[in-house]
Amino acid sequence: EAQVTQNPRYLITVTGKKLTVTCSQNMNHEYMSWYRQDPGLGLRQIYYSMNVEVTDKGDVPEGYKVSRKEKRNFPLILESPSPNQTSLYFCASSSSKGALLLGANVLTFGAGSRLTVL
Amino acid sequence: AQSVTQLDSHVSVSEGTPVLLRCNYSSSYSPSLFWYVQHPNKGLQLLLKYTSAATLVKGINGFEAEFKKSETSFHLTKPSAHMSDAAEYFCVVSRKPWRALTFGSGTRLQVQP
Repeated sequence: EAQVTQNPRYLITVTGKKLTVTCSQNMNHEYMSWYRQDPGLGLRQIYYSMNVEVTDKGDVPEGYKVSRKEKRNFPLILESPSPNQTSLYFCASSSSKGALLLGANVLTFGAGSRLTVL
Repeated sequence: AQSVTQLDSHVSVSEGTPVLLRCNYSSSYSPSLFWYVQHPNKGLQLLLKYTSAATLVKGINGFEAEFKKSETSFHLTKPSAHMSDAAEYFCVVSRKPWRALTFGSGTRLQVQP
């Protein structure tokens, strides 16, 4: 089944304790992206990646890091989490080739990771 | 720059009555526009997309949206609401197919029996 898998789905941690949220897709998609969802703000993009070793900042990158060493994986790293990073996080992917053909970037989303930083 | 405004944060309808979720966009160039739906505790799922072809776009589950350039709107409609339509709906704009997508703040649809 084509899917985007995020782990963990739920995590409670404390301020300053480094954590990584993993994201993996099995569709050979070039494009991957991380979003955070907060009430009343919709989804805001944190980082995105056009392909292996190609990443760029989205709208709210502060406090986050990413890497794209393999095509299927795009982990989100919080080096020193703070309470304002408490949020629901979504990973998404899409095919760049498909986007060019369709003229639209259609995303496949993971189920979400709910992070609480105390 | 591009932006999207969902005019209602919450819409409540009765089962069997029409649904209208409003979205206005701002984009310097011809945009691609999307509606995504998020059911409780789930990821987002694409409902429909507009990519400069037909201005009336049909999506899944009986939803459709009309692109109106003169009004910079992309409202989502459905003739008859079902209980299963209760969810949060996001209007999304993108200037180029591979660039960052801009999400609206969401509209929560409640369907009353």
